[in-house]
Amino acid sequence: GDSVTQMEGPVTLSEEAFLTINCTYTATGYPSLFWYVQYPGEGLQLLLKATKADDKGSNKGFEATYRKETTSFHLEKGSVQVSDSAVYFCALSDQYSSASKIIFGSGTRLSIRP
Amino acid sequence: DAGVIQSPRHEVTEMGQEVTLRCKPISGHNSLFWYRQTMMRGLELLIYFNNNVPIDDSGMPEDRFSAKMPNASFSTLKIQPSEPRDSAVYFCASSLLLGTNEKLFFGSGTQLSVL
Repeated sequence: GDSVTQMEGPVTLSEEAFLTINCTYTATGYPSLFWYVQYPGEGLQLLLKATKADDKGSNKGFEATYRKETTSFHLEKGSVQVSDSAVYFCALSDQYSSASKIIFGSGTRLSIRP
Repeated sequence: DAGVIQSPRHEVTEMGQEVTLRCKPISGHNSLFWYRQTMMRGLELLIYFNNNVPIDDSGMPEDRFSAKMPNASFSTLKIQPSEPRDSAVYFCASSLLLGTNEKLFFGSGTQLSVL
């Protein structure tokens, strides 16, 4: 079945450092790919998405490119801030399902030091 | 828009008791999802509904768990009897299926502690 694998955390970086969180997927169809973020004490929020190969999703300085050849959707940010500390989830949705569900990875906890 | 509303925010109960978690999805959304989040297992999909009909309940761990959606604006997740291993954060999410534009909106979750 469809699945998402993302790098284990926690990831700890200093402010202004470059961030990469790896995500790879397995899917039989042509999924849409997502990154969700969960701040402490809150539910998940959509951060960005890409719906087809070579699409780049971006939001709040974060970017991820849909790479079909490597089945990857790595999250990057050039300069992280303390406020980016959260748990990040990679996810996929099979767009050809009549009532599709979103499958999440295990989450990567990110901590940014001032 | 009020977003997805879950209640209670926190629930502490004793083993063997019945627990009912409630969810009000965003008005107009036609899909509703129940997730469970734990440190050990991450975010697990328990069940989801489309137009109030359960589509996939393969993630429901045991017969002790049941979920209903009597109308488009309300859903419940019930655990009877509850056990300490059910302690987790339970999230409800809703969406409006728009093909590739699908996006989930999450509630703030219910923190369940079973003693």
